[in-house]
Amino acid sequence: NAGVTQTPKFRVLKTGQSMTLLCAQDMNHEYMYWYRQDPGMGLRLIHYSVGEGTTAKGEVPDGYNVSRLKKQNFLLGLESAAPSQTSVYFCASSYGAGRSEQYFGPGTRLTVT
Amino acid sequence: AQKITQTQPGMFVQEKEAVTLDCTYDTSDQSYGLFWYKQPSSGEMIFLIYQGSYDEQNATEGRYSLNFQKARKSANLVISASQLGDSAMYFCAMREISSGSARQLTFGSGTQLTVLP
Repeated sequence: NAGVTQTPKFRVLKTGQSMTLLCAQDMNHEYMYWYRQDPGMGLRLIHYSVGEGTTAKGEVPDGYNVSRLKKQNFLLGLESAAPSQTSVYFCASSYGAGRSEQYFGPGTRLTVT
Repeated sequence: AQKITQTQPGMFVQEKEAVTLDCTYDTSDQSYGLFWYKQPSSGEMIFLIYQGSYDEQNATEGRYSLNFQKARKSANLVISASQLGDSAMYFCAMREISSGSARQLTFGSGTQLTVLP
């Protein structure tokens, strides 16, 4: 049981390049989330999904797109990377809302130069 | 306005002693949940404890307990008998259940705890 996995673990991009971060969970969770973590700050929600084929914006969605074509996968895309998107990105999933805890992936460290 | 406030950027505690990490929150919802997560230097986020706004008892999980004071809107984490492995960043988070944002967690800025031998 792998839980939540993220690919890749590290990446360096040049300004203007694009990339996709992959999140996969094997717990059959309905809800999935993408957060970013910047120094001195807690995690901030980028986008989330409440089920296959659905996505919604979080607190800081600009510059990112997401897709949830399969229940177990949640993709985060950067179409034209900017230095302000240098951050650590965490994916999380949960069975539902309410009392359900979120299970986090190990994070992806992205640097945009 | 910040929804979750952690006023202690850094804390030190002697091994085997207890420590309290502060968290205050702001919400107009009647139904909400409060979470604490631990982030060691390796980076992963580890769930520690949960308190629901309607829970009558303070939550406890092993050496972790949550001092929930609803009227003061505080949800402090108490770690008893600190261990060197408790050194980490600790985040308080809230989910407002009754509002439209029922699915997301809002995090505080964290407290870096260092346990001294």
